Amino acid sequence: DAKTTQPTSMDCAEGRAANLPCNHSTISGNEYVYWYRQIHSQGPQYIIHGLKNNETNEMASLIITEDRKSSTLILPHATLRDTAVYYCIVRGNAGNMLTFGGGTRLMVKP
Amino acid sequence: ETGVTQSPTHLIKTRGQQVTLRCSSQSGHNTVSWYQQALGQGPQFIFQYYREEENGRGNFPPRFSGLQFPNYSSELNVNALELDDSALYLCASSLGWAGSGRGYEQYFGPGTRLTVT
Repeated sequence: DAKTTQPTSMDCAEGRAANLPCNHSTISGNEYVYWYRQIHSQGPQYIIHGLKNNETNEMASLIITEDRKSSTLILPHATLRDTAVYYCIVRGNAGNMLTFGGGTRLMVKP
Repeated sequence: ETGVTQSPTHLIKTRGQQVTLRCSSQSGHNTVSWYQQALGQGPQFIFQYYREEENGRGNFPPRFSGLQFPNYSSELNVNALELDDSALYLCASSLGWAGSGRGYEQYFGPGTRLTVT
């Protein structure tokens, strides 16, 4: 599975959009981009995933560049409850596991 | 729809002992994966079970073993506990697995925090 690179930490003001970047320059054609988050002392929570096209659900939007080498997770109106570690994961059909890196620690501030 | 549940919530064991952790998968899910998360790190894949068979394993020694039952619930067993086994153990369930040819999401339980002294 392709390796991902994320900033270690980010801050965001409450009510503003949080844009979390992820680089995955070695991604191959059949690999999906997944985003999970982990709020302190809880299990990881699935947010969204995509292959080529941009995706949106009730939690977030996922923007994948045309060359698929990077993506951005957008939380449109961040709240204090969105404070968590956000993991960007790239996984293909051959692998069964999710390979978690260090993630981005997002701090939403009042 | 019932989410993923794990038991116990917390557990304290002594080095050398054996431990069994339990996981009930989300309704309708036939695949269970186990992860170990040390303090301050991301979860690390231990193994996955699909329809009662081991379906992939991470870099963990044989003293980490598992089972999946006909109702798709699962157990993680760890023998000869070591101090470094102290961690949060996470179970995740999903419908299908990567080889099914499409993207899929895993749903995690709250975890079992194991402390080995």
